[in-house]
Amino acid sequence: KAGVTQTPRYLIKTRGQQVTLSCSPISGHRSVSWYQQTPGQGLQFLFEYFSETQRNKGNFPGRFSGRQFSNSRSEMNVSTLELGDSALYLCASSLSSGANTEAFFGQGTRLTVV
Amino acid sequence: GENVEQHPSTLSVQEGDSAVIKCTYSDSASNYFPWYKQELGKRPQLIIDIRSNVGEKKDQRIAVTLNKTAKHFSLHITETQPEDSAVYFCAAGVTGGGNKLTFGTGTQLKVEL
Repeated sequence: KAGVTQTPRYLIKTRGQQVTLSCSPISGHRSVSWYQQTPGQGLQFLFEYFSETQRNKGNFPGRFSGRQFSNSRSEMNVSTLELGDSALYLCASSLSSGANTEAFFGQGTRLTVV
Repeated sequence: GENVEQHPSTLSVQEGDSAVIKCTYSDSASNYFPWYKQELGKRPQLIIDIRSNVGEKKDQRIAVTLNKTAKHFSLHITETQPEDSAVYFCAAGVTGGGNKLTFGTGTQLKVEL
C-alpha cells in the first residue's frame, strides 16, 4: 500500500509570495492533518480535514488555509509569505477522525522563504 | 488549549543502557498519547501509543507508562542500540476531538558505542 505522498519535496519562495502544498493520503484514509515543524518547536498543528470539512484548526494566522477534495487529497496554502514561515510542513493521514487511529506522516515539504 | 512539555531535550546513553523520556500534559480531557520516532531526514513514525484506560504498555524493548492523576507519561527504552538514535516526540490527543495532536518539543537521543 502506498504511503502518504507530499509534493513538492522542496520549495524556495520569496517574501510576499504565496505557496500551495499537496498531500495525497493513504488509500482509504479520509482524515488529513497538517503540521509545521521547526527546530526547537516540535510539530505544531495547523488544521485537520475530514470528508472535505475542516474539523480542527490550530493557532495559526489566516494566511494559512487548506482544503480537501472528494478523493481525500488535501492542499495547504500560505499567502503573503514571511521569513518565519520557513519550515518543514508535514501532513498525516488517518483512517478516520476522532478515534485517534494512527497518524501516518508524509516525508514533508521543506519550504524556504527568502 | 493543550500544552505538552517534554524532557530532556537531549539524552546521551551508552549502548545497552536504558533511556527514559518524560512528558507532562495540561488538558485533563486528553486520553490518547502516542510516541513518534523521527530519524534524521525522515518522516515521524509511530512507535507506541497508550490510551488513558491503561497505565502501561510494552512492545519488546519499548514501554510507555501513564499517570493520569499527575498528567505524566513516559517512554522507556531498554537495551538501547545505535539504531535507536533519533528524535522522539510525545503527543497528546482527545478521542472524539478529531485527529489533532499536541506534540512535545522532542528529545534527541544519542546511543553511543
